[in-house]
Amino acid sequence: KNEVEQSPQNLTAQEGEFITINCSYSVGISALHWLQQHPGGGIVSLFMLSSGKKKHGRLIATINIQEKHSSLHITASHPRDSAVYICAGEYGNKLVFGAGTILRVKS
Amino acid sequence: SQTIHQWPATLVQPVGSPLSLECTVEGTSNPNLYWYRQAAGRGLQLLFYSVGIGQISSEVPQNLSASRPQDRQFILSSKKLLLSDSGFYLCAWSKRLPGELFFGEGSRLTVL
Repeated sequence: KNEVEQSPQNLTAQEGEFITINCSYSVGISALHWLQQHPGGGIVSLFMLSSGKKKHGRLIATINIQEKHSSLHITASHPRDSAVYICAGEYGNKLVFGAGTILRVKS
Repeated sequence: SQTIHQWPATLVQPVGSPLSLECTVEGTSNPNLYWYRQAAGRGLQLLFYSVGIGQISSEVPQNLSASRPQDRQFILSSKKLLLSDSGFYLCAWSKRLPGELFFGEGSRLTVL
């Protein structure tokens, strides 16, 4: 069965903290996506990666193919980073989504 | 640049009434189009996707249907809404199947 699991489900951090969100998946994905859903509901794509590491501003995404695991890191977190972060695995021509991690960054 | 719009943003409908949500993409041709639903507190569920005009794939059997009358237009419909149809509906497009997704603003449906 194609599955994507995220942890933690909820995360509260103080402004400035380094944040890590984890994503595990079953064998067979061709790429891993990280998405951000804002409190209003809009979703934006953050990263799509199949190996190694990608960085955009304070966001870093890594993937370990052997361990079937990906992480999303946020450095120097800020209250505006508060959102739901979703990972999704590409299985064939379908995306399978994790349940999401609700992040709240307090000032 | 490419943009995607969907409407209406919010609607409240009685049980048994019809539904029509519309989505249009601009700035690209032959996009793959998707309708997702997000129930309260739950993850994204793929409802339909389309790789071309008139080509619709259904992922979840239910009382919803989708149509693609034009290359960059995707419509989600129902003849009779159920309470369980309440949720947040998102249209999205990608160049590759599945590929990086670009989402519309979402439509929040409440069925009473």
